[in-house]
Amino acid sequence: DIQMTQSPSTLSASVGDRVSITCRASQSISSWLAWYQQKPGKAPKLLIYKASTLESGVPSRFSGSESGTEFTLTISSLQPDDFATYYCQQYNSFPYTFGQGTKLEIK
Amino acid sequence: QLQLQESGPGLVKPSETLSLTCTVSGGSISRSDYYWGWIRQPPGKGLEWIGNIYYSGSTYYNPSLKSRVTISVDTSKNQFSLKVNSVTAADTAVYFCAKMHSSGAFDSWGQGTLVTVSS
Repeated sequence: DIQMTQSPSTLSASVGDRVSITCRASQSISSWLAWYQQKPGKAPKLLIYKASTLESGVPSRFSGSESGTEFTLTISSLQPDDFATYYCQQYNSFPYTFGQGTKLEIK
Repeated sequence: QLQLQESGPGLVKPSETLSLTCTVSGGSISRSDYYWGWIRQPPGKGLEWIGNIYYSGSTYYNPSLKSRVTISVDTSKNQFSLKVNSVTAADTAVYFCAKMHSSGAFDSWGQGTLVTVSS
């Protein structure tokens, strides 16, 4: 199985900050990576697919990038609605695997 | 607007079978560019992919669960289903059904349903 290692596990930040979350794959997944946002009691919401393509309707302050097997989700200017847990997911090969999650908290 | 809704018992006894159904509305489950999946999330923990199915019936399962899991599709009802045999407390989780984007990510999700395994 491909292991997805996310960091940090928790991130404290303020409204207006620029933040980044990293996800490292244990082997090559090409660009087959998605980022999701999940709020308590809700289903995950797709933000980015194919490493850097913004899902329709997602604000442009969210962006994704990749460098080899390291992938980054960046939020350019945090808004109050962005405080949530974020997961990466590889869909290069079965079994699909998720990172362990990053909880973005208000500082 | 495609919508997915999970349904099924919220409480299952140990060693019995967990059965859930996902009803798709606002679109056809038989679209050739869609795959359908099940994902679960134990309370307070992360996401685990269970398996995918195509409208033709082709399935892909997580090996960690493969021997206990069956996913099926009923195109006449626009539904797909999940069965997990021989459940234990470790199978207690919120179970989500989801549609796979043409690129492979899950772009539409049900609200999730909590299944508790307890006697």
